[in-house]
Amino acid sequence: GQNIDQPTEMTATEGAIVQINCTYQTSGFNGLFWYQQHAGEAPTFLSYNVLDGLEEKGRFSSFLSRSKGYSYLLLKELQMKDSASYLCAVIIRNRDDKIIFGKGTRLHILP
Amino acid sequence: DTGVSQDPRHKITKRGQNVTFRCDPISEHNRLYWYRQTLGQGPEFLTYFQNEAQLEKSRLLSDRFSAERPKGSFSTLEIQRTEQGDSAMYLCASSPQTEFETQYFGPGTRLLVL
Repeated sequence: GQNIDQPTEMTATEGAIVQINCTYQTSGFNGLFWYQQHAGEAPTFLSYNVLDGLEEKGRFSSFLSRSKGYSYLLLKELQMKDSASYLCAVIIRNRDDKIIFGKGTRLHILP
Repeated sequence: DTGVSQDPRHKITKRGQNVTFRCDPISEHNRLYWYRQTLGQGPEFLTYFQNEAQLEKSRLLSDRFSAERPKGSFSTLEIQRTEQGDSAMYLCASSPQTEFETQYFGPGTRLLVL
């Protein structure tokens, strides 16, 4: 079966750094991405990793290890507006294409 | 480019009624996806289209659910004989065929079945 795990909730302080982990067990893996979702809103795209390594984009970075089935999203210089859910999602490419989302990690930022 | 739009944004219906939602993707995007999301969960894939062809359907999509994209542009998702368990946010997303990983989501339709 296909499975994606990420912590349910995390708390961090404004200005700090937080790392949100994601592990997956899937067949036909063809990439992983991270989405941000504020309460009541649609997900917005943050990052995409298909090769091992770190992708940096401003305050956000995403890392992937395909051999370990592991990714993380790193958020630096946290701001109050970063309070949201962060969704890890895996692209499955077998006979057809499919995307499987994790349940999301609710990140609370404290002043 | 106005992004992905969905209509209606909210729908309240009584159990047993039929409902239909519409999604207008970004105009040059070939792929269109439907997801369902309940509180505290990530989006669950329902189905997707490449142009007018429906290429994949999740087992979550029971016989009461049907989706169409007749001209390869907008899509509709119909739920027949709604049940309380159908209450959820229904999200539509689109992507260009060459950029499968970059899906642009619409604002969603929130369905409440009483």
